[in-house]
Amino acid sequence: DTAVSQTPKYLVTQMGNDKSIKCEQNLGHDTMYWYKQDSKKFLKIMFSYNNKELIINETVPNRFSPKSPDKAHLNLHINSLELGDSAVYFCASSQGAGRETQYFGPGTRLLVL
Amino acid sequence: GENVEQHPSTLSVQEGDSAVIKCTYSDSASNYFPWYKQELGKRPQLIIDIRSNVGEKKDQRIAVTLNKTAKHFSLHITETQPEDSAVYFCAASPRGQNFVFGPGTRLSVLP
Repeated sequence: DTAVSQTPKYLVTQMGNDKSIKCEQNLGHDTMYWYKQDSKKFLKIMFSYNNKELIINETVPNRFSPKSPDKAHLNLHINSLELGDSAVYFCASSQGAGRETQYFGPGTRLLVL
Repeated sequence: GENVEQHPSTLSVQEGDSAVIKCTYSDSASNYFPWYKQELGKRPQLIIDIRSNVGEKKDQRIAVTLNKTAKHFSLHITETQPEDSAVYFCAASPRGQNFVFGPGTRLSVLP
């Protein structure tokens, strides 16, 4: 009965590789998010996706691209990985944007060597 | 855009004492203010929230106050317990827009 799930839990890869992180929610929510949490624990939103509307944080490099095959899934694809991409990536979902509780996935710890 | 500041960055209290974390926000259009708790190695989880039409909200040992005029809101935890040790994040949400999180406060409750 996991509400928001992510795979993989851990991802270790070499610089320059391309990788994807998958996210699924079974809450029937219509808005999903990707957050990056760095070593200092700052939670920064990367993307939100609502009814096929994508809102991108302008600071996110275009090497990062979200892909949503349907309302329950929002995957994160990263091209040409760099050392600075090492972080924990959290997926989240909510029923609408703004004033609604966001439910987070367990996180994916990415380490780029 | 919205900017959220949070203080202190770290806080140590003795078990049984109270803890207070304060946040300020910049966008007067923000109308929703949640607090999330993140235990070590875990996901952030909502513990309490407050909307702009309310000045205070309480849930057992935790309470949140909001001062819209001053654009600040605070989390109060009474009778702290070791399991309260975690990183706490405040957030502000301008109407219909995504959350902006504060930088977090690491709370340690000492036995």
